[in-house]
Formats: sequence, C-alpha cells, structure tokens
Amino acid sequence: AQTVTQSQPEMSVQEAETVTLSCTYDTSENNYYLFWYKQPPSRQMILVIRQEAYKQQNATENRFSVNFQKAAKSFSLKISDSQLGDTAMYFCAFKLGRNNFNKFYFGSGTKLNVKP
Amino acid sequence: DAGVTQSPTHLIKTRGQQVTLRCSPKSGHDTVSWYQQALGQGPQFIFQYYEEEERQRGNFPDRFSGHQFPNYSSELNVNALLLGDSALYLCASSPRTSGGAFGEQYFGPGTRLTVT
Repeated sequence: AQTVTQSQPEMSVQEAETVTLSCTYDTSENNYYLFWYKQPPSRQMILVIRQEAYKQQNATENRFSVNFQKAAKSFSLKISDSQLGDTAMYFCAFKLGRNNFNKFYFGSGTKLNVKP
Repeated sequence: DAGVTQSPTHLIKTRGQQVTLRCSPKSGHDTVSWYQQALGQGPQFIFQYYEEEERQRGNFPDRFSGHQFPNYSSELNVNALLLGDSALYLCASSPRTSGGAFGEQYFGPGTRLTVT
C-alpha cells in the first residue's frame, strides 16, 4: 500500500523568509511521481511542483524547490522569499507510474501562514 | 479556456437523501477523477472515469456511484446519505496521454456537501 505522511499540521513564516514543509511516503514501487499542491482558502487545488522518482535532480519552480531523497522516501518543499499569497494548505501527493489511470494519494496537509 | 468546473458550489442535504454532483473537465481532458476531502484532511480518491467507464475505484462503498457522458463531463451520485458524507468533493481532470506531464490532474473548486 502507498501512504503519504505530512507531520507538520501547521507552520508559520515571516514574509520574505524561507520555510520548508516536510513529506515522507511509503511504497515498494520504483516508478512513481511526487507532487506538491497548494489549496488556498478559495479551495481550488493548484499544482506547485512535481518530481519524477527516477530523476535525481531536484525540481525547481521559481521560488519553490524540492529536496527529494529517494532512499529516505522524503520529499520536502522549500519556499523562498515567502509572500502573503503563499498562505494556504499544502498537500504532498504521490502517483504510481506514468499511466493516467493511476490514482493520487495525498497527505493530510500542512497549513502555512505567512505573516507580514 | 475554462478550467475544471463543478456545480453546485454548496449543498445541504438530510440523512438518507440522495445527491448528484456535477463536473466539467478542462478543455482537452477526457479523464475525470473524484475525491472526497473531509475537513482538515487530504483528498481521498473515490473513482476515475475514462471512455464513460469506471476505471479505478478507491475504498468507498457502493452508495457512491458515478457516470461519464460522451462530452467527458461527469456526475457523482451518493445514495442514502450519512452524516459522515459531509465533505468537500473535488473533481479533477487530466488528458489520457499526458506526454511528459506525468498525468497530472487539474482540480475544480469543489462542492461543499453538508449532511444534517
């Protein structure tokens, strides 16, 4: 079975500072994909960043980057230069394989508050 | 280009009633997945539709059923509603062949269902 664990229910960071959100997962498969989604109070889930398990290089998207440690099954999200608009729930998600028919497994989320 | 749309936005039902939620996928997408997100939790996969058939199903009872229409839109039906069915119901769409896009899913804003 596949599981995703986010151990930080809530975090706070000052505007312009850097924050790291943790995520661990468990799987016996070798071919999978990892994602971070953001869900602001408006409820719309927005893809932040994605990572293929077979790529060793960590993904980056502007101020967002990940630290992917495959052996440790860890996939943390770093947000640099935090902005007030980053305030949201952040969900780590996992998907097996490349086939579109595979379902997503989500963690329980981390609520991030960016303070002015 | 409209993204994923869902209706209604909010819904209040009584225990034992039946409910139908609707989803229109993003333009160009033909696969629709449904998720249940309880308050303070991550989304849980209900099922996925492609070519008007249920292709995968999560750990949900048969009270949860769905349908996909030829235009790729989809419905989620829940019979004999329980208080525990109160949640945000998210629809996500994706293209069947995602190229290099990892089969990522685009989410709608959700329908908030309250069962009293």
